[in-house]
Amino acid sequence: EAGVTQFPSHSVIEKGQTVTLRCDPISGHDNLYWYRRVMGKEIKFLLHFVKESKQDESGMPNNRFLAERTGGTYSTLKVQPAELEDSGVYFCASSPLRDRKNTEAFFGQGTRLTVV
Amino acid sequence: DAKTTQPPSMDCAEGRAANLPCNHSTISGNEYVYWYRQIHSQGPQYIIHGLKNNETNEMASLIITEDRKSSTLILPHATLRDTAVYYCIVRFRLVGSARQLTFGSGTQLTVLP
Repeated sequence: EAGVTQFPSHSVIEKGQTVTLRCDPISGHDNLYWYRRVMGKEIKFLLHFVKESKQDESGMPNNRFLAERTGGTYSTLKVQPAELEDSGVYFCASSPLRDRKNTEAFFGQGTRLTVV
Repeated sequence: DAKTTQPPSMDCAEGRAANLPCNHSTISGNEYVYWYRQIHSQGPQYIIHGLKNNETNEMASLIITEDRKSSTLILPHATLRDTAVYYCIVRFRLVGSARQLTFGSGTQLTVLP
């Protein structure tokens, strides 16, 4: 079974540019989460999708960040325009919606974003 | 969700048991204790969780004190590949739903050869 896949693995962009991160969850997982760890800080929650709907976006830092999950499959996280403080590792995770055995989250390898 | 306190770092000899403590003195009756770990350059990985009984799976054992104010994650035979940051997280668990995880600073476990 394929795990959570994130693209790209690394991205280096200049301040002011736009970057789009992609996450492919485990097939059949309706819950999809974005987290990030910025330099020297703890891993922080950004938002949670249930299928194509945003369940909780309380962790989104500002309106430069836009997450979408059209069709309820893969998700994208766009940063526009990118700032230096956006540098860090962005993680995606997914979990099944109704699974009494295991509702734990499976994480991808992350996308390392560097804004210069 | 209740706050947790973990030591910032620990060492363990390869092949020995690694015992990672976690304090969660403000835990409420409906909150579970979860453990995740993050191996360098990888995403966090679920290890185990429990409510009040001790739990064991293929990766680890979880010992929760009777008053539930603290717990210990035990890796029975640590290997070099267990070197990682271990996170103790306390949160409600709802079947059919999933709340966000609140990661703290965790414990950096270093397994020494």
